[in-house]
Amino acid sequence: GAVVSQHPSWVICKSGTSVKIECRSLDFQATTMFWYRQFPKQSLMLMATSNEGSKATYEQGVEKDKFLINHASLTLSTLTVTSAHPEDSSFYICSARDRAGSYNEQFFGPGTRLTVL
Amino acid sequence: DAKTTQPPSMDCAEGRAANLPCNHSTISGNEYVYWYRQIHSQGPQYIIHGLKNNETNEMASLIITEDRKSSTLILPHATLRDTAVYYCIVRDANTGTASKLTFGTGTRLQVTL
Repeated sequence: GAVVSQHPSWVICKSGTSVKIECRSLDFQATTMFWYRQFPKQSLMLMATSNEGSKATYEQGVEKDKFLINHASLTLSTLTVTSAHPEDSSFYICSARDRAGSYNEQFFGPGTRLTVL
Repeated sequence: DAKTTQPPSMDCAEGRAANLPCNHSTISGNEYVYWYRQIHSQGPQYIIHGLKNNETNEMASLIITEDRKSSTLILPHATLRDTAVYYCIVRDANTGTASKLTFGTGTRLQVTL
């Protein structure tokens, strides 16, 4: 089946620094990728939708200047948390839609746990 | 997209069938019912989806009522590894490339010995 990877799987950083998280579709091309955030004991919240080669669409309340998303190729999207603060500590999950498959299919990565000290 | 309602938690004995209900009374004609699950500290895993007919795959069965206002996910022989949060999601089939999944609170299934 389709595989989505994320790197790193966990990261600890100091407050004020920026962190980049990569999301890759390993065996398929993804025209659309999605970024979610999940706080402890809560559900996944969609942050943004990115289409290859175009600007990401952010959900209401998500700061686009703080969470920079780049989807430069059909297999890679990156999320950069700029000037991270402790309240940004969360589990970040990406998902990707298979360009060749049914548009209903969406595959999720394993997640990246960010801890900001 | 239509909203879904699920019980917050359920228990199931290992080896027994786990039946997870979902209400989606405002579902519209072109909306699919999807089920995903999330094992602790992992990304969600796709289980099954359907429009109006019952569906079965190697993981589970999906039973959708005739009026489509509710559905049940059935894990025929639950194991300890099925312990997870199960999400029932309704999504418009016509949103094309912009289609997105909106997660509710889900049902936390605990499988016990």
